[in-house]
Amino acid sequence: QVQLQESGPGLVKPSQTLSLTCSVSDASISSGAYYWSWIRQHPGKGLEWLGYIDYSGSTNYNPSLRSRLNISVDTSKNQFSLKLTSVTPADTAVYYCATTYSGYSFSDYWGQGTLVTVSS
Amino acid sequence: DIQMTQSPSSLSASVGDTVTITCRASQSIVKYLNWYQQKPGKAPKLLIFGASSLQSGVPSRFSGSGSGTDFSLSISSLQPEDFATYYCQQGYITPLTFGGGTRVEIK
Repeated sequence: QVQLQESGPGLVKPSQTLSLTCSVSDASISSGAYYWSWIRQHPGKGLEWLGYIDYSGSTNYNPSLRSRLNISVDTSKNQFSLKLTSVTPADTAVYYCATTYSGYSFSDYWGQGTLVTVSS
Repeated sequence: DIQMTQSPSSLSASVGDTVTITCRASQSIVKYLNWYQQKPGKAPKLLIFGASSLQSGVPSRFSGSGSGTDFSLSISSLQPEDFATYYCQQGYITPLTFGGGTRVEIK
């Protein structure tokens, strides 16, 4: 049973960088079994896949955010991270980290989610 | 991007009913279609992957079908814990995209 836990500031000012980390336990990112995804959900809205990274650091981003998004991995800490630059209030959302299985690209394990509010 | 359209956006049903939710893709996604259940304040939970494969631990009253562009999720004998929002998601090509959700409410 893979466990994921998001951490990071809950409040970010407009134009600044949103940074979150996902700590993985009961599985090794280095195993190569999964892609490691970030997914967000605007308040009261649907789900938006942001991107994923594999154990080697290879990334795949949603084109809608590619210019502002960076996902990185630290296998020594068994963590992966998200940085979203130049945020606006439209980036206010619950951010989830999740595993993504490469076959059918489903996400079977999710963190609990963390609400990030962009406001001055 | 592949657009995923779910219908209905919401429905009301009673315990014991059978409900069906549909999901249509803007192009063929073969069988790369996954279904999730989300309850308020919680992360989504995977129910079905590959259009029709039941995720381990998910009750057999949940079933999925379809291929190409048209898919459905059926819940037979609806239970109180099934009242939630359901999302489809295509895994055929990135960017991975989700449907808008179907809220299943108690009648």
